[in-house]
Amino acid sequence: AQRVTQPEKLLSVFKGAPVELKCNYSYSGSPELFWYVQYSRQRLQLLLRHISRESIKGFTADLNKGETSFHLKKPFAQEEDSAMYYCALGGYEKLTFGTGTRLTIIP
Amino acid sequence: GAVVSQHPSRVICKSGTSVKIECRSLDFQATTMFWYRQFPKQSLMLMATSNEGSKATYEQGVEKDKFLINHASLTLSTLTVTSAHPEDSSFYICSAGTSVRYEQYFGPGTRLTVT
Repeated sequence: AQRVTQPEKLLSVFKGAPVELKCNYSYSGSPELFWYVQYSRQRLQLLLRHISRESIKGFTADLNKGETSFHLKKPFAQEEDSAMYYCALGGYEKLTFGTGTRLTIIP
Repeated sequence: GAVVSQHPSRVICKSGTSVKIECRSLDFQATTMFWYRQFPKQSLMLMATSNEGSKATYEQGVEKDKFLINHASLTLSTLTVTSAHPEDSSFYICSAGTSVRYEQYFGPGTRLTVT
């Protein structure tokens, strides 16, 4: 079975401060990990995937197989980063989502 | 590009009736479409995976006779909630997959309320 855990339901960060959204996973095979973002009144959209090793909107995430983690980080938070963030695991030809973290950036 | 639409965005129906939700990939062909259900303040739960021209694969615990899925073309999949009950009230989201493994584009969702 595959499982994704996002321990923080809510996270508030001051503008300009660093952001870290935690994600841990459980999967017996070789996982593919993703971060999705949902801005207010918008649909879910892909933010980044671990195999791309890219930075999107200043966000990065590194897959740590030893700790089974895929935490999302940004060094300096911006107000437009306020949104719902979901970590997802690709395995057995489907995506399994975590429960999400609502990130609020305080001006 | 890669836009997925859902119709209707909101629907209210009476208990015992059926309601159909459409999911369309507008500018690409999707061999695989996915249907999710999201309860308030909870995660997306995969209900079923549908491949064009074949029967849908349902996740454990999802009643296939209640949630009928049809994927008749590469751009259209439908979810029909049959004999709806108040406990079926939820937010239903579809996504369309591409040839890139695990790449999915999501629709805006449909809010179903059963009275």
